Amino acid sequence: GAGVSQSPSNKVTEKGKDVELRCDPISGHTALYWYRQSLGQGLEFLIYFQGNSAPDKSGLPSDRFSAERTGGSVSTLTIQRTQQEDSAVYLCASSSSGKPSYNEQFFGPGTRLTVL
Amino acid sequence: QKEVEQNSGPLSVPEGAIASLNCTYSDRGSQSFFWYRQYSGKSPELIMFIYSNGDKEDGRFTAQLNKASQYVSLLIRDSQPSDSATYLCAVRSSNTGKLIFGQGTTLQVKP
Repeated sequence: GAGVSQSPSNKVTEKGKDVELRCDPISGHTALYWYRQSLGQGLEFLIYFQGNSAPDKSGLPSDRFSAERTGGSVSTLTIQRTQQEDSAVYLCASSSSGKPSYNEQFFGPGTRLTVL
Repeated sequence: QKEVEQNSGPLSVPEGAIASLNCTYSDRGSQSFFWYRQYSGKSPELIMFIYSNGDKEDGRFTAQLNKASQYVSLLIRDSQPSDSATYLCAVRSSNTGKLIFGQGTTLQVKP
């Protein structure tokens, strides 16, 4: 079946511009996660959605970052007034409902964001 | 102290050997543990997960968990050059569903 998809695959923007990144999870997966991966920082958690609500936003680095999920499916991550330190690969993952203790998370291909 | 620690490597093994990758974690309340493989320029791919003490085997891969020692390992038997990648250990937070990742161990399997 189809996996997690993300768009765009690459995004180059100028400092100060806003960007929107999109994630389409595996069909039927109710949990959706955003992570980012940058050199020297490893893979870090940003935000978690269960359905359309976000019970854990603890990883969002500043108020320039926001995310929403509609219809329990597609999610968008928005970065306002981008800065060069926002350059990273933004990864989305989804997992199914059920016993939450060990639901596996499956990653999309990521969006590589470059802020000039 | 980092929440999830891995030796960054590189770990170099000859083709056909057993590769042993190790990970320690700090949150004693953690209940599930994951190993991801990441090829250069690609996204992480789930290899195995484990939540009970002991061993879990899947083909050439064996995950080992020791909660008392807060230690997780991944063994790769009969290593192949195609196993050359970065292996990420991830621990599910005891409070939420988020995964906390180690920095990854780079494995090189030499023909």
